[in-house]
Amino acid sequence: DTEVTQTPKHLVMGMTNKKSLKCEQHMGHRAMYWYKQKAKKPPELMFVYSYEKLSINESVPSRFSPECPNSSLLNLHLHALQPEDSALYLCASSQIKGVSLLHFGDGTRLSIL
Amino acid sequence: GQQVMQIPQYQHVQEGEDFTTYCNSSTTLSNIQWYKQRPGGHPVFLIQLVKSGEVKKQKRLTFQFGEAKKNSSLHITATQTTDVGTYFCAGLLGYGGSQGNLIFGKGTKLSVKP
Repeated sequence: DTEVTQTPKHLVMGMTNKKSLKCEQHMGHRAMYWYKQKAKKPPELMFVYSYEKLSINESVPSRFSPECPNSSLLNLHLHALQPEDSALYLCASSQIKGVSLLHFGDGTRLSIL
Repeated sequence: GQQVMQIPQYQHVQEGEDFTTYCNSSTTLSNIQWYKQRPGGHPVFLIQLVKSGEVKKQKRLTFQFGEAKKNSSLHITATQTTDVGTYFCAGLLGYGGSQGNLIFGKGTKLSVKP
């Protein structure tokens, strides 16, 4: 069981669809992250929120839009994705940004048709 | 850009043999973390090393952090089939624009033959 909950676990969408990935943690962590992981590759950082403010945006295309409604929730809004965006999207949290270990969720396996 | 190199990419061992994976950074790290990802799973934190020359043990796993805080290793003694997975090191940069960023190595995929 993971303390970081991600929904949905699987998502198939067309290139014209709009969908959202959701992430929730109740550990009181103040940093939350979105990572993208392709098969046989390490996790690749997309966004970091620290105290609900966007701290790092690693040159991610605008078709990915993060949102942090409160300290427990993190969303990733998807629009007009490309087939190469198919990947495992991992949410993670840590006590504070940078210093402490990451707790990963199970991920959302995304397929773009 | 800043990188953390990890070798080997793959390692196939017979059950009972030892296994080691190595990480090397081009810059000094604040700390280094190790994660294990089982097939179909998500990365799970194993350990964090902070001090120069630090050595930590978890049962059959031994983690080392180099004196210059630029390299690290994970050694597993007498591997078991439950050790199967990909082991990632992740270095935390302490300076510059990437401060607070964890840089993941490419991972070492371990398979264990019973």
